Amino acid sequence: QSVLTQPPSVSAAPGQKVTISCSGSSSNIGDKNNYVSWYQQFPGTAPKLLIYDNSKRPSGIPDRFSGSKSGTSATLGITGLLTGDEADYYCGTWDSSLSAHVFGTGTKVTVL
Amino acid sequence: QLQLQESGPGLVKPSETLSLTCIVSGGSISSGDYYWAWIRQPPGKGLEWIGSINYSGSTWYNPSLKSRVTISVDTSKNQFSLKLSSVTAADTVVYYCTRHTPGSGYLNWGQGTLVTVSS
Repeated sequence: QSVLTQPPSVSAAPGQKVTISCSGSSSNIGDKNNYVSWYQQFPGTAPKLLIYDNSKRPSGIPDRFSGSKSGTSATLGITGLLTGDEADYYCGTWDSSLSAHVFGTGTKVTVL
Repeated sequence: QLQLQESGPGLVKPSETLSLTCIVSGGSISSGDYYWAWIRQPPGKGLEWIGSINYSGSTWYNPSLKSRVTISVDTSKNQFSLKLSSVTAADTVVYYCTRHTPGSGYLNWGQGTLVTVSS
């Protein structure tokens, strides 16, 4: 089972903001040497990198998406929610104790 | 633009070895700046990192799969491969090949390939 815990689902109306939490431990998110990344996945397609190194956005990712990390948790924020943002979102990071890259349980975003 | 494409059998018998190859185009697999990884996902479920390799062949494996996994790189063909031995029905998942920088996010992904383990 995953060592990173995310809420199963979050929802909001178009134009609103949602935040997705990713809770870990001192061996993964809480380790200052480990960076958190976030992925967006639509059904039947490969995940897409939204955030890397805790808060950086790859080229082409709008600034509606933001990431932060504090202690043993990380957060993905999506502002100005669009119907096209309906997807599954995953966090990921390295776990120093497991010596493995680990992913979160995933969160389904629904635009009401 | 870098593209990754998984190839290999879509059906493998139980107890046999699953073999997949990721063909890299639009960039060199020999770039020292990047690592190459395999990630898998059961239908409707979350992501699982299988392992990573760099251009020189150094590997890092998920401890939960390490006894059954071999990842290799062929720089002459610009591709890297996954072998997973002694497969069971639990290995029936979608397999993705990806590129990432060490300790950072997985930027490039293949489209994924579903491998079914069944007799």
